[in-house]
Amino acid sequence: QKEVEQDPGPLSVPEGAIVSLNCTYSNSAFQYFMWYRQYSRKGPELLMYTYSSGNKEDGRFTAQVDKSSKYISLFIRDSQPSDSATYLCAMVGGTSYGKLTFGQGTILTVHP
Amino acid sequence: DSGVTQTPKHLITATGQRVTLRCSPRSGDLSVYWYQQSLDQGLQFLIQYYNGEERAKGNILERFSAQQFPDLHSELNLSSLELGDSALYFCASTIDPDSYEQYFGPGTRLTVT
Repeated sequence: QKEVEQDPGPLSVPEGAIVSLNCTYSNSAFQYFMWYRQYSRKGPELLMYTYSSGNKEDGRFTAQVDKSSKYISLFIRDSQPSDSATYLCAMVGGTSYGKLTFGQGTILTVHP
Repeated sequence: DSGVTQTPKHLITATGQRVTLRCSPRSGDLSVYWYQQSLDQGLQFLIQYYNGEERAKGNILERFSAQQFPDLHSELNLSSLELGDSALYFCASTIDPDSYEQYFGPGTRLTVT
């Protein structure tokens, strides 16, 4: 079983929809939770991060972490075609904070 | 553009061969990370260097090796290549060796035939 599980999708939604992306994990040592966005033929880029449990909002994006359930989410409001990308959750904790553990990535397409 | 450069962009080679992938970190970054991205395994951490020294190791095969040079660029060497080594290889860099905010390069697509 992988440490981080993420439904690869693909997910297709109409423009303006609310998108919900999720990951579950098994390692209790994880303390920082990130969402990276990867456009086609590009490297991943950090979108948001959250420390421990709670919510964080940045514009149309909201990240949620529930450590008790080992579950994290990313919500995208008013989705745009430019949001079409692969979204990867990533986690880190324990002894090495540079060693990121990624989910499989969810492919999202927002169609006009 | 993240400021991390990787060469070559594409590489096609045969099984059993050896290749070298190169990464130049962002200006001022001391730490370099290598990742492998495949359809079945996703993005997996291979190895991290900080200021020339190996700092952390992940799921890196014995056939693979890496190093970071005094000018801070890094090379990932893949030998005795197998079909299953076909993947995207990404390099990332940070100033701080314990930073989760990693800046990724555009990747090298390796195809083993």
